[in-house]
Amino acid sequence: KQEVTQIPAALSVPEGENLVLNCSFTDSAIYNLQWFRQDPGKGLTSLLLIQSSQREQTSGRLNASLDKSSGRSTLYIAASQPGDSATYLCAVRSRRGNQGGKLIFGQGTELSVKP
Amino acid sequence: DAGVTQSPTHLIKTRGQQVTLRCSPKSGHDTVSWYQQALGQGPQFIFQYYEEEERQRGNFPDRFSGHQFPNYSSELNVNALLLGDSALYLCASSFGSNQPQHFGDGTRLSIL
Repeated sequence: KQEVTQIPAALSVPEGENLVLNCSFTDSAIYNLQWFRQDPGKGLTSLLLIQSSQREQTSGRLNASLDKSSGRSTLYIAASQPGDSATYLCAVRSRRGNQGGKLIFGQGTELSVKP
Repeated sequence: DAGVTQSPTHLIKTRGQQVTLRCSPKSGHDTVSWYQQALGQGPQFIFQYYEEEERQRGNFPDRFSGHQFPNYSSELNVNALLLGDSALYLCASSFGSNQPQHFGDGTRLSIL
């Protein structure tokens, strides 16, 4: 059974700091891994999607890496800003059986960037 | 181009009641997935609808049921509500079951 874990559960950093969020998964049979942002009481906004054949994806100040063999992904945020404060979720899409339609999420990392 | 829209935004019910939540997919999308997100947790997959049929289902009891209409919109029904059903219910749409999903802002359901 695929399980997704995110560490840390919460993180507080001063503005301008570079930071790394971690995501691990137990089964390497995935189609892709996706990072989302969620503001309080809101839905999910997709940040980056990495296909299983890719090693990383970049968008602006965000860079996500994927090491499928070790079951790990990291989301790197450069020069953090207070507007980056939100919960960050990673999710995988499994290749096992008839599971490809659903996303399996971690519990999220709640990020607070202090001015 | 409207994204995924959900209604209502908030809902308060009491134990034992029934509730219906609604979702309109993003234009051009034909597949709708529903997720339950308890406070402080990641979303949990409930089920997915494509061509008006339930195609996949997560570990949720039969009290949770759904429907997809010919225009691809969808409903989530929950019967015999329990306190533990209090959560944010998220709808996601995609073009096909294995394509990236786009999420709505959710319906916040509170059970008293």
